[in-house]
Amino acid sequence: QLQLQESGPGLVKPSETLSLTCTVSGGSISSNTYYWGWIRQPPGKGLEWIGSLSYTGSTYYNPSLKSRVTISVDTSMNQFSLKLNSVTAADTAVYYCARVLITGTGRGYFDYWGQGTLVTVSS
Amino acid sequence: DIVMTQSPDSLAVSLGERATINCKSSQSVLYSSNNKNFLSWFQQKPGQPPKLLIYWASTRESGVPDRFTGSGSGTDFTLTISSLQAEDVAVYYCQQYYSGPLTFGGGTKVEIK
Repeated sequence: QLQLQESGPGLVKPSETLSLTCTVSGGSISSNTYYWGWIRQPPGKGLEWIGSLSYTGSTYYNPSLKSRVTISVDTSMNQFSLKLNSVTAADTAVYYCARVLITGTGRGYFDYWGQGTLVTVSS
Repeated sequence: DIVMTQSPDSLAVSLGERATINCKSSQSVLYSSNNKNFLSWFQQKPGQPPKLLIYWASTRESGVPDRFTGSGSGTDFTLTISSLQAEDVAVYYCQQYYSGPLTFGGGTKVEIK
């Protein structure tokens, strides 16, 4: 059974960089069938897509965050990572990693999600 | 960006009754080359991640009870719970994967009346 697990600091200071890792188990990250993505959810609010990537490292970012976001992959560790710099209180959210099942069109839908990790931005 | 608008924001339904959630996209998410609607539905219970219920607007994910039905095409979509069960209390989200940035509806909270 595929599992995704987010890890990283739960508290980040304003203006610093938020760094999270998603470890994939029960399946390989190195497949053309899947992309891998990050989504966030501020407390009590809705879902916002941050970005996605393929195992080859091709990336797709939400333009609203693109200037601050880097998503990367480590196939040897079966992990992918998120870095969000210059954070503010508005970046406080539960951060989810998820798998994207890619269809023949090159686009796909989120089919597996991690449990999520709360990151609070505060001094 | 494609804006996804859900209605209502919340609804209360009696056990065993029908719940209907609407989702409207600001532009069509129907891909003409394969005649598929690039829309999915998720269920999120408190403290849990979203769970995929429906993809391609109407295809039920494996293991999802058949009381959940997705319908619609183009810009207007519906998620119907035919006979509400206590375990269906949750927030439901639609999401389009037709074009970037991927966007979600604001969510609909379903409660028991």
